[in-house]
Amino acid sequence: DQQVKQNSPSLSVQEGRISILNCDYTNSMFDYFLWYKKYPAEGPTFLISISSIKDKNEDGRFTVFLNKSAKHLSLHIVPSQPGDSAVYFCAASSLQGAQKLVFGQGTRLTINP
Amino acid sequence: DVKVTQSSRYLVKRTGEKVFLECVQDMDHENMFWYRQDPGLGLRLIYFSYDVKMKEKGDIPEGYSVSREKKERFSLILESASTNQTSMYLCASSLPSGTGPSGKLFFGSGTQLSVL
Repeated sequence: DQQVKQNSPSLSVQEGRISILNCDYTNSMFDYFLWYKKYPAEGPTFLISISSIKDKNEDGRFTVFLNKSAKHLSLHIVPSQPGDSAVYFCAASSLQGAQKLVFGQGTRLTINP
Repeated sequence: DVKVTQSSRYLVKRTGEKVFLECVQDMDHENMFWYRQDPGLGLRLIYFSYDVKMKEKGDIPEGYSVSREKKERFSLILESASTNQTSMYLCASSLPSGTGPSGKLFFGSGTQLSVL
């Protein structure tokens, strides 16, 4: 069973606009959530994270929102830039699972000039 | 910067061959992981290790084994490669719990394995 789901395989956004990537999870034991970004021929790199005690975390153009009651998180990128074109994975972990991450399927974001 | 190095970028093997994928990290991290990435399935955990000579099964360990004789090196072994093991294999490392954000992994560039 897929405990972390990204239901949109792809997303296309115009440069300068907001990109919103969504992620849903089913395991209520998850208490830490992360977003990773992956370019072709490279490994994923950490982007931003949020603890379950918060509902928002911001880092420059990137903001992650967590809605625990809906078991939903989202990544907002504003303004979107061509260099943001990549595959984005959300991931979750629990204290019980230590640092074992469970990943979603990924969303390919394309920023159009 | 943390560097996680995977020995091969591309690998082509025959069905039934024994395959070794090597991973080395240079930041003295306790934790190391092997994931495979497949389209539509995301990253799935094969095995992980919290310390030298320790290993634990991830979500899809069947057909794989691992070895961690030294802290910096974590090897993934396909005992008898099969076509369904054709995939992108990603190694990662991290600090232990309590020393930083839980789950922040540092990944290598990946090994694209094709089993014919």
